[in-house]
Amino acid sequence: AQSVSQHNHHVILSEAASLELGCNYSYGGTVNLFWYVQYPGQHLQLLLKYFSGDPLVKGIKGFEAEFIKSKFSFNLRKPSVQWSDTAEYFCAVASNTGKLIFGQGTTLQVKP
Amino acid sequence: DTEVTQTPKHLVMGMTNKKSLKCEQHMGHRAMYWYKQKAKKPPELMFVYSYEKLSINESVPSRFSPECPNSSLLNLHLHALQPEDSALYLCASSTLPGINYGYTFGSGTRLTVV
Repeated sequence: AQSVSQHNHHVILSEAASLELGCNYSYGGTVNLFWYVQYPGQHLQLLLKYFSGDPLVKGIKGFEAEFIKSKFSFNLRKPSVQWSDTAEYFCAVASNTGKLIFGQGTTLQVKP
Repeated sequence: DTEVTQTPKHLVMGMTNKKSLKCEQHMGHRAMYWYKQKAKKPPELMFVYSYEKLSINESVPSRFSPECPNSSLLNLHLHALQPEDSALYLCASSTLPGINYGYTFGSGTRLTVV
């Protein structure tokens, strides 16, 4: 079965600190990988996605993620976070089953 | 038009009421999805429609009844809900189900069952 695991449930950082959020998936076939952000009280926004090609993907707001196939991982990074990055972050995996499945989410709190 | 539009944005209903949530897209997408999201939790897949036919039902209780009347519309009919069904209901669409297609999410309907 297809599943997604996010290791960090709650992360607290100071502004300008670097961010890395872990995401591992379980599925033996070809997958598409996504990171979504949900600001308090708002809807899901796509940060970035990986379909194929260069495993280092750049997204909006200075975020990037690296797909490492051998580790079944798709970790999200940002070199320097801002207070406005405070939000819930979800990793998601789509497969040819037709399902888009989300991880449990990571709450990021950035202190000004 | 690159949006998924959901109506209403907010809904309060009693446990004996019947109501419907509506989702609309005009991007020509042939796959549409219903998700349920509780506070501080990830969206959980409920249903997948492919070419207007129900292709996946994630063991959702029958008090939730989806309907896809045409390729642009997706409804979720609600009947005899419980307070624990209160959540944000998200609709999404993609070109087709499966891989190599992006997903577009609506802003959701926030449902409160009293």
